[in-house]
Amino acid sequence: DTAVSQTPKYLVTQMGNDKSIKCEQNLGHDTMYWYKQDSKKFLKIMFSYNNKELIINETVPNRFSPKSPDKAHLNLHINSLELGDSAVYFCASSPRQGTNTEAFFGQGTRLTVV
Amino acid sequence: SQQGEEDPQALSIQEGENATMNCSYKTSINNLQWYRQNSGRGLVHLILIRSNEREKHSGRLRVTLDTSKKSSSLLITASRAADTASYFCATTPGGSNYKLTFGKGTLLTVNP
Repeated sequence: DTAVSQTPKYLVTQMGNDKSIKCEQNLGHDTMYWYKQDSKKFLKIMFSYNNKELIINETVPNRFSPKSPDKAHLNLHINSLELGDSAVYFCASSPRQGTNTEAFFGQGTRLTVV
Repeated sequence: SQQGEEDPQALSIQEGENATMNCSYKTSINNLQWYRQNSGRGLVHLILIRSNEREKHSGRLRVTLDTSKKSSSLLITASRAADTASYFCATTPGGSNYKLTFGKGTLLTVNP
């Protein structure tokens, strides 16, 4: 009964390749996020979606393209992968728009670009 | 831009001792949250304190919020080895419900 699930858990790929990470939540939440955690554990928000609509795009290179086919899914496609894209990517969700709600995180996808 | 800053960056204590971590932030907030991240895992929500609250308890956790100083503290009492993890504060800057922004985290090590 995983609340927020991401696949794959590990992804090793060569520079220049295109890859996708999938995220699904079964909590009925309206808002979903993608975060990038670097080697120093710094978590940076990349995108925020509410009910399939892009709300926040934090100056992420346009090689990164999120897609939300429905409010339970938020996938992340990355084109032309670079070494600097190596990181752990976390998907998260939170309930309907509200000021006092917690976020639920997936287990992360460790992306290694070689 | 980063909103929260945790202090210290790393903390090592003995089992049974209390651990205090601090978080400072820059802009007005709706609430402040604390999360825990075990090594190699996702973040788990611990506690949320609203901007009009000053203190909140949950089990062995005590959180304080001082909006005049733009700071919060997380106290873990009677620590256990299982509390070893990174702890992050997160805020939703005033008016932005969709931008949950995290600090750099405090790595807590509890030695048995």
